[in-house]
Amino acid sequence: KAGVTQTPRYLIKTRGQQVTLSCSPISGHRSVSWYQQTPGQGLQFLFEYFSETQRNKGNFPGRFSGRQFSNSRSEMNVSTLELGDSALYLCASSWGGRTGELFFGEGSRLTVL
Amino acid sequence: GESVGLHLPTLSVQEGDNSIINCAYSNSASDYFIWYKQESGKGPQFIIDIRSNMDKRQGQRVTVLLNKTVKHLSLQIAATQPGDSAVYFCAENTGGGSNYKLTFGKGTLLTVNP
Repeated sequence: KAGVTQTPRYLIKTRGQQVTLSCSPISGHRSVSWYQQTPGQGLQFLFEYFSETQRNKGNFPGRFSGRQFSNSRSEMNVSTLELGDSALYLCASSWGGRTGELFFGEGSRLTVL
Repeated sequence: GESVGLHLPTLSVQEGDNSIINCAYSNSASDYFIWYKQESGKGPQFIIDIRSNMDKRQGQRVTVLLNKTVKHLSLQIAATQPGDSAVYFCAENTGGGSNYKLTFGKGTLLTVNP
C-alpha cells in the first residue's frame, strides 16, 4: 500500500513569508503527527491530529499551526517565517492508538533565506 | 529539554561485528519505547519497539533491552552490515493517558566499515 506522502519535498522561502505543507497518511490511518528535524535540536514533536482534532501539541510558538481534514489528510502552516525555521518537516501517520509504529514520510525540506 | 538522550553520537564498527547503541531516558512514567533508523534523505523507519512490562524483545538481527531501574534502553544489531549504516534514534511515548507523543533522542550515527 502507498506510504505517507508529503508535498512539497523541497521549498525555499524568505523571512516573513508563510508556508503550508501537506501530508497524505497511509490509507486507513486516522492519526497524523508532525515533527521538525534540525541538526541542532534533532526530532521535535510539533502536534498530532486524530479525527480532525488536535490531540497533542509540542512546545512551538503559535506561528506553527495545523489541521486535519475528514479524509485524514493534514496540513501544517508556519507564518512569519524565521531563519531558524529552516528544517526538515516530517509527517507520520498511525492507526491512532497510544502504541504502535509511526510511519514517516520522506519529509519537506524548508529553507528560509 | 529532551528527556531522551544518547550516550554516543557516533559509532563505527566492522562489517560482521555486533553493534550496541545506547539510550538514556528520564521520564520514569514512559511505558513505550521505539527504535527508529534514518538513512540519508529518508524519513525515520521503524526497527523495533518494547513496552515497559518487558525487558527484552528480539527481532530479525535486532534486540532491544530495557532497564527501567536505571532508565536505559539499548539496541543491539547482530552481524552488522553496510546497509545498517544510518542514524539511529530511540524514542519514548511521553504523551500520557491515551495520548501518543514520541520524544526522540538526538540520534547515533552508525558507520559500518566493509
